[in-house]
Amino acid sequence: GESVGLHLPTLSVQEGDNSIINCAYSNSASDYFIWYKQESGKGPQFIIDIRSNMDKRQGQRVTVLLNKTVKHLSLQIAATQPGDSAVYFCAESEAVGNKLTFGGGTRVLVKP
Amino acid sequence: NAGVTQTPKFRVLKTGQSMTLLCAQDMNHEYMYWYRQDPGMGLRLIHYSVGEGTTAKGEVPDGYNVSRLKKQNFLLGLESAAPSQTSVYFCASNSIVAGGQFFGPGTRLTVL
Repeated sequence: GESVGLHLPTLSVQEGDNSIINCAYSNSASDYFIWYKQESGKGPQFIIDIRSNMDKRQGQRVTVLLNKTVKHLSLQIAATQPGDSAVYFCAESEAVGNKLTFGGGTRVLVKP
Repeated sequence: NAGVTQTPKFRVLKTGQSMTLLCAQDMNHEYMYWYRQDPGMGLRLIHYSVGEGTTAKGEVPDGYNVSRLKKQNFLLGLESAAPSQTSVYFCASNSIVAGGQFFGPGTRLTVL
């Protein structure tokens, strides 16, 4: 899979535009999903989570969408700012509190 | 609260040397985890613990040992370091009822 490094898929976005980051998962038993943000040289930071009984959840400038039918998760960032430049990871587990499986990361580059 | 802390931040070892990485959390979390993050491979779970005195293998446990003698500490040991263990190591923790794992700042390990 992908990870932090040279071969990550990259999303370039203009400052002020909206960003959409996608993630596919394969485990039908997954019940809990999280998005993490990782800035260079730092550990992953929790952004937002969602349970499988929901299809949308909103936070501050972020929205997570879950489509269980096609096993797809997305993170939308509104009015992207330079501080949003980072690598974003999705993670899944079969229950809240269970160990997580991380997906490949996506690098977001915000152009001024 | 300091959250999750890791020591050391950087370390260079020679092949065959041993070392212990220390993770500490002050959030009274039951669960703790050790991951490694390599370019092109993402975050992979090495070992984890669901409580004091218990440990379990993750996805890539070979060459590592762990101990959880105190609830707040989780130690990762390398008995005989190999160049393949060059990586960035992250510790994380979470409570039973909250799924979002909190990550430490990481330890960058180079094995020559």
